Amino acid sequence: DAEITQSPRHKITETGRQVTLACHQTWNHNNMFWYRQDLGHGLRLIHYSYGVQDTNKGEVSDGYSVSRSNTEDLPLTLESAASSQTSVYFCASSDRVAGGQQFFGPGTRLTVL
Amino acid sequence: GDSVTQMEGPVTLSEEAFLTINCTYTATGYPSLFWYVQYPGEGLQLLLKATKADDKGSNKGFEATYRKETTSFHLEKGSVQVSDSAVYFCALRGGTSYGKLTFGQGTILTVHP
Repeated sequence: DAEITQSPRHKITETGRQVTLACHQTWNHNNMFWYRQDLGHGLRLIHYSYGVQDTNKGEVSDGYSVSRSNTEDLPLTLESAASSQTSVYFCASSDRVAGGQQFFGPGTRLTVL
Repeated sequence: GDSVTQMEGPVTLSEEAFLTINCTYTATGYPSLFWYVQYPGEGLQLLLKATKADDKGSNKGFEATYRKETTSFHLEKGSVQVSDSAVYFCALRGGTSYGKLTFGQGTILTVHP
């Protein structure tokens, strides 16, 4: 069955370190998204991609970057982790055929100390 | 820009009670509307959707009707179960925002036996 996976599921890091969160989907979807979930804010879009070599900033992109070298993967990098980036991160994918429905990964809980 | 407002929670109900979670939106063009559910420790799953005015989405006993005149997409269920305890998110895909979703802040539902 097609799926979307994230790794690691839990990560503790220190302020100032670079961190990369992995996202891998086997739906063969063109569109991929990264969100962060914080209490009282719902899900906020960090970055998104509509295809290989395409990346776009979302509403809370400062301090984050992504790259899309193939259809399956969209890794999220925190350049220099800050305590304000402690959150739960979700990756999602979709395509036009799916009618806009996004399929979500299980999430990564990141703690920055 | 696009926005979604959900009723503030948390919502606590007894089993078999009637559930309503209000959702209103602001969007340009002709948005599609979604309800997602997040069970503890998991990612988001699509619960139901509606793509045009007056459409009714339904799934697992939940229903929501796309009301363009009141810009609303309220979630209802006639008789909730303990297993419905989760976080519920209303979301829209704007008519001009190909692929991207805008989420409400989420409503925590707890159902007691």
